[in-house]
Amino acid sequence: DAKTTQPTSMDCAEGRAANLPCNHSTISGNEYVYWYRQIHSQGPQYIIHGLKNNETNEMASLIITEDRKSSTLILPHATLRDTAVYYCIVRDHPGIQGAQKLVFGQGTRLTINP
Amino acid sequence: DGGITQSPKYLFRKEGQNVTLSCEQNLNHDAMYWYRQDPGQGLRLIYYSQIVNDFQKGDIAEGYSVSREKKESFPLTVTSAQKNPTAFYLCASSPRDSTGDEQYFGPGTRLTVT
Repeated sequence: DAKTTQPTSMDCAEGRAANLPCNHSTISGNEYVYWYRQIHSQGPQYIIHGLKNNETNEMASLIITEDRKSSTLILPHATLRDTAVYYCIVRDHPGIQGAQKLVFGQGTRLTINP
Repeated sequence: DGGITQSPKYLFRKEGQNVTLSCEQNLNHDAMYWYRQDPGQGLRLIYYSQIVNDFQKGDIAEGYSVSREKKESFPLTVTSAQKNPTAFYLCASSPRDSTGDEQYFGPGTRLTVT
């Protein structure tokens, strides 16, 4: 699986958009970008994933650059409850290959300030 | 409600004792996973199972054992051979179809061995 690089920490004001970058310059053609977050002392929570098109769901938007070497997770209107560690992970889509592990780096510690 | 349960939330044991952590899911997921998290670190995979009666070692399986006798259950035993067992243990499950396999995590068990 490709390695990812994320800033160690970020701050954002409540109500503003939080933009979390991730570099994955060694990503291969069949690897997807996944985002999870972990609120203190809880299990990680899936947010979103994508291959090359931008994706949006009820939680966030994922913007992937055309060369796929980097991506940005956008929380459009951050709230205090979005304070968490955010993990960017790249991996093969399992499909018929079955279960595969997620490789978690140290992530970005996002703090939403009132 | 569907989800993953882990019990207990906090567990204390004396050094030299084996201890079994519980993980149950009612999501009808085929794949289940055990991860370990140390303070300030990402998650590391201990064991995973794609189907009943089958499981594979992850990156840090030494000192741990698992069983998968039922689809819903994937207990983890931390044996006395595990040199640093104090950690936060997370169980997860995922479907195995080709449309996606985001992993769903339980609330975790914090094990302290003294």
